[in-house]
Amino acid sequence: QKEVEQDPGPLSVPEGAIVSLNCTYSNSAFQYFMWYRQYSRKGPELLMYTYSSGNKEDGRFTAQVDKSSKYISLFIRDSQPSDSATYLCAMSTGNQFYFGTGTSLTVIP
Amino acid sequence: GAGVSQSPRYKVTKRGQDVTLRCDPISSHATLYWYQQALGQGPEFLTYFNYEAQPDKSGLPSDRFSAERPEGSISTLTIQRTEQRDSAMYRCASSPGLAGVSDEQFFGPGTRLTVL
Repeated sequence: QKEVEQDPGPLSVPEGAIVSLNCTYSNSAFQYFMWYRQYSRKGPELLMYTYSSGNKEDGRFTAQVDKSSKYISLFIRDSQPSDSATYLCAMSTGNQFYFGTGTSLTVIP
Repeated sequence: GAGVSQSPRYKVTKRGQDVTLRCDPISSHATLYWYQQALGQGPEFLTYFNYEAQPDKSGLPSDRFSAERPEGSISTLTIQRTEQRDSAMYRCASSPGLAGVSDEQFFGPGTRLTVL
C-alpha cells in the first residue's frame, strides 16, 4: 500500500465550478499536509500548507485535513481556466516528504 | 535572486554509463531535497541535506545512487552503472529552514534523464 493515495483523474469541469480534490494516507506520523500545483513541464509550486486538522482558506482555495480519517481535501471555488494543472497532495513527517500521484484538472472556458 | 536551477536539463546516456546531475539551490537555503519523478507520478523522495549533512538516504533506490553537498550549497546526484529503469525526471528542491521545520520547498525545473 502506498503511503499516499490520490485519484489521478483526469478531472474536467466547466469554468466557475467548485472542484474537490482528495487524498488518503496511512501513516499516522504525518504532521504536515500540503497541496502543490504543477503546470506542464514545470516543477511543483506550493499552494497550501497545514499542520493540524481543520480548514484553512486562501482566496479561492480551501484545504481541509481530517487526521482521524487520514483524509485531506483541496477545494477550489469559482474555478478558472488558469487553474488547469496537476494538483499534488504531499505529506511530511518533518524530514521526509511523500507525494500523491497528482490529479490532472482541466477547467473548460 | 534566481530560483533553484538544475543542469543539465536533459541527459541521454547509454546503459552502464555513470551520470552526475547538478542542483544550485536558492542562495542561503539550508535544506536541499532530491526527488525522482516518473511520468504521470508525483515526486518520490530520494534524500535530503541540512547544509552539508545528509541525515536521510533511505529513499535512494540502490547503492548505485549517491548524493553530495560538500559545502552546503550546490549538490550533485550521481547514478553509477545506469539502467533503463533509472529514466525519469530528477527534481531538486530547496527550503530556507532546516528539515523538521517543514518550510515551503522551492522546486527546480528538473533534469530529464533517459537511459538507452
